[in-house]
Amino acid sequence: QVQLVQSGAEVKKPGSSVKVSCKASGGTFNSYGFHWVRQAPGQGLEWMGGIIPKFETSNYAQKVEGRVTITTDESTSTVYMEMNSLTSDDTAVYYCARDRDGDLDYWGQGTLVIVSS
Amino acid sequence: SSELTQDPAVSVALGQTVRFTCQGDSLRTYYANWYRQKPGQAPVLVVYGDNNRPSGIPDRFSASSSGNTASLTVTGAQAEDEADYYCNSRDSSGNPLFGGGTKLTVL
Repeated sequence: QVQLVQSGAEVKKPGSSVKVSCKASGGTFNSYGFHWVRQAPGQGLEWMGGIIPKFETSNYAQKVEGRVTITTDESTSTVYMEMNSLTSDDTAVYYCARDRDGDLDYWGQGTLVIVSS
Repeated sequence: SSELTQDPAVSVALGQTVRFTCQGDSLRTYYANWYRQKPGQAPVLVVYGDNNRPSGIPDRFSASSSGNTASLTVTGAQAEDEADYYCNSRDSSGNPLFGGGTKLTVL
């Protein structure tokens, strides 16, 4: 059974950085891509970026490019999303999701990131 | 343009049929996938590709597409179907793209 388990909630100061992890189990890690999707309070889903572990290639939404870095650790089947220069606009629930072939078939439970002074 | 447009909200009487629509140029190239999200929970894939349902999703969920419009139909809506529904496809760069979501109320 495939599971994506994310790290816990974070409270950060404006201007700081956050790193969220997503540990995959139950599947072949290198056979899929992974994405990070965020959801601000009361808002819809917003794609932030993705990575294909097999090819070590990543790409990012224009809105966050330059502030977000997505990496993987194949030895632990973990995907990471690091965001710097945080502002209150980055307050959201961050989800990782597995890309099967254009559809996101499994999602993590979400990680709440609160940016507040 | 790289946008997917959904109606903000729809309602349906218990046991009746409801249809969600999703419009966007990318749907002429890519299938739409559909997700259900209940309050406080992660999205769940309910239909993907050419009208495929993941294991555990009831067959009252079905999808279709024509031109730049994709549709999700729930035949015989149940109380537990009350949720937000999102469509998803790809943008011109092949990156995931989401619609704004539709809030379903079951009366």
